[in-house]
Amino acid sequence: AQKITQTQPGMFVQEKEAVTLDCTYDTSDPSYGLFWYKQPSSGEMIFLIYQGSYDQQNATEGRYSLNFQKARKSANLVISASQLGDSAMYFCAMREAAYNFNKFYFGSGTKLNVKP
Amino acid sequence: NAGVTQTPKFQVLKTGQSMTLQCAQDMNHNSMYWYRQDPGMGLRLIYYSASEGTTDKGEVPNGYNVSRLNKREFSLRLESAAPSQTSVYFCASSTQGYNQPQHFGDGTRLSIL
Repeated sequence: AQKITQTQPGMFVQEKEAVTLDCTYDTSDPSYGLFWYKQPSSGEMIFLIYQGSYDQQNATEGRYSLNFQKARKSANLVISASQLGDSAMYFCAMREAAYNFNKFYFGSGTKLNVKP
Repeated sequence: NAGVTQTPKFQVLKTGQSMTLQCAQDMNHNSMYWYRQDPGMGLRLIYYSASEGTTDKGEVPNGYNVSRLNKREFSLRLESAAPSQTSVYFCASSTQGYNQPQHFGDGTRLSIL
């Protein structure tokens, strides 16, 4: 089974609107971390935001927030007030505490296009 | 503030040639990783090293070898390059702990003719 699933290959959003990028995960480890990365067209991988499995509150970093629904095993990235510079690929990733704790599992990514 | 440094940034090889991609990190991280990313695709793990002196295979290790030279450096070698290995290669590093992210280098764009 896929550890990380991103079901939206591509999305469009109007500038200044909010957008949600979906991510579901699969693990039986009670301790795990979830990460989102941004990959602009220039190619580098930029770490955006982290959510821990025991965190009671949703993580936020500026315009990025994570809608963490543990029972549903989902960790959706919300970008508020989209900007043209948000156009990029976005990857969701997971790291488990116990099983293969050094490995990161990445989803296939979502390509976001922000329209002016 | 270097982080993870990969060299070279670009390389063109002929089929059958060999090449070593270099990676160094200055964050004192224990774990280091090599990924490949094909056009429009996600990351696939080639090899990783949990600590100095250890290496493990990832999803797509065939055709590659790695060396964890010391804590800072982790190199990836293509012994006999094939066109199917044309890709962008990323090195990453991380410290221990499930709450710790990976930090990536800027990538090496490798074309094999």
